[in-house]
Amino acid sequence: DQQVKQNSPSLSVQEGRISILNCDYTNSMFDYFLWYKKYPAEGPTFLISISSIKDKNEDGRFTVFLNKSAKHLSLHIVPSQPGDSAVYFCAASAYSSASKIIFGSGTRLSIRP
Amino acid sequence: DADVTQTPRNRITKTGKRIMLECSQTKGHDRMYWYRQDPGLGLQLIYYSFDVKDINKGEISDGYSVSRQAQAKFSLSLESAIPNQTALYFCATSDPGQGKKETQYFGPGTRLLVL
Repeated sequence: DQQVKQNSPSLSVQEGRISILNCDYTNSMFDYFLWYKKYPAEGPTFLISISSIKDKNEDGRFTVFLNKSAKHLSLHIVPSQPGDSAVYFCAASAYSSASKIIFGSGTRLSIRP
Repeated sequence: DADVTQTPRNRITKTGKRIMLECSQTKGHDRMYWYRQDPGLGLQLIYYSFDVKDINKGEISDGYSVSRQAQAKFSLSLESAIPNQTALYFCATSDPGQGKKETQYFGPGTRLLVL
């Protein structure tokens, strides 16, 4: 049973537009959420995170929104650039096991010219 | 230089063979992890270690073993490889210090094919 779900395996967005990647979770004990970005032949790299005490965290072009009541988070990329083409993993952890991160299955984002 | 390195980067082996994947880090982190990635399943935790004397099973530890030789080194072994262990394997490190939520730093991965 997947505790972190990314229901869209792929997404294609035009350069300059907004990319919105979605993630749902089922475990109400999760209190910290992360997004990782992965290029081919490389390991995932940390992108942005959010604690459950917040509903929004922004870092440059990247913003993560958290809706705890819906157990849903999303990553917004504005404006989308060609270098954003990658696989994006949503992940979550609980305070009681902060080092054990549960990953979603990933969404492949393609930015088209 | 990369902070987290994995060797080999690619490996082909046969069913029943013993194989070891190695991970080294220069980040000075105490915590190290091994994950596998299968298509459509994301990353699954195999084993993790919070320090040299600490080893813990993750979600999918059956068929695997690990050794934490030093703070900087964490190796993963497949005692008798089977085809469904064909996957992409990642090592990661983290530092829990200063009350901040941890971020894990990943190596480049090892692609393993078991024939």
